[in-house]
Amino acid sequence: GAVVSQHPSWVICKSGTSVKIECRSLDFQATTMFWYRQFPKQSLMLMATSNEGSKATYEQGVEKDKFLINHASLTLSTLTVTSAHPEDSSFYICSPRGGRYGYTFGSGTRLTVV
Amino acid sequence: QKEVEQNSGPLSVPEGAIASLNCTYSDRGSQSFFWYRQYSGKSPELIMSIYSNGDKEDGRFTAQLNKASQYVSLLIRDSQPSDSATYLCAVELSNAGNMLTFGGGTRLMVKP
Repeated sequence: GAVVSQHPSWVICKSGTSVKIECRSLDFQATTMFWYRQFPKQSLMLMATSNEGSKATYEQGVEKDKFLINHASLTLSTLTVTSAHPEDSSFYICSPRGGRYGYTFGSGTRLTVV
Repeated sequence: QKEVEQNSGPLSVPEGAIASLNCTYSDRGSQSFFWYRQYSGKSPELIMSIYSNGDKEDGRFTAQLNKASQYVSLLIRDSQPSDSATYLCAVELSNAGNMLTFGGGTRLMVKP
């Protein structure tokens, strides 16, 4: 159980463009979605928490207008990095929670902004 | 003081030896503790979870929890080169709902 699909696995985009990352829980309903990012040689840092149908709660220092999170259904959440800049280059990982499943993670998205 | 602390390493052990990874946490009310393994460029994968004081064994892995000392450890017996990775300690803090807080990770290198 607890199958999570995250796409794309990697993306390269030009500075100023937007990138959407999808996270799907394939065999359970994710009432809560956590989005993390990880810079090289650092640990996972929580960006935001979203509950299905509600606005996301962002951690301090994370711009909510830049990192748009949509959690409109119990099986899909998206993170859109708007007007991406090179400093947004990072490894983004989703972590859906729901039901009897513990903490699972998506496979991650490597974003490179050039 | 960070909420979850780990020695960044690298911790180098010879193949076949026991690797001991340590983690301390600041929130005395924390109840749930997890060890994840992360290979370079990959997402973390859960190795062990532990909720009660004492030891919990799963194959070559043993998690140890001491809530009084606010200390959790992971032992890897018969270490293999394939165990070389970064090991992340994660704690569900008592005042943070269902959110996990991660330590900085310890890089383990198992030399053949």
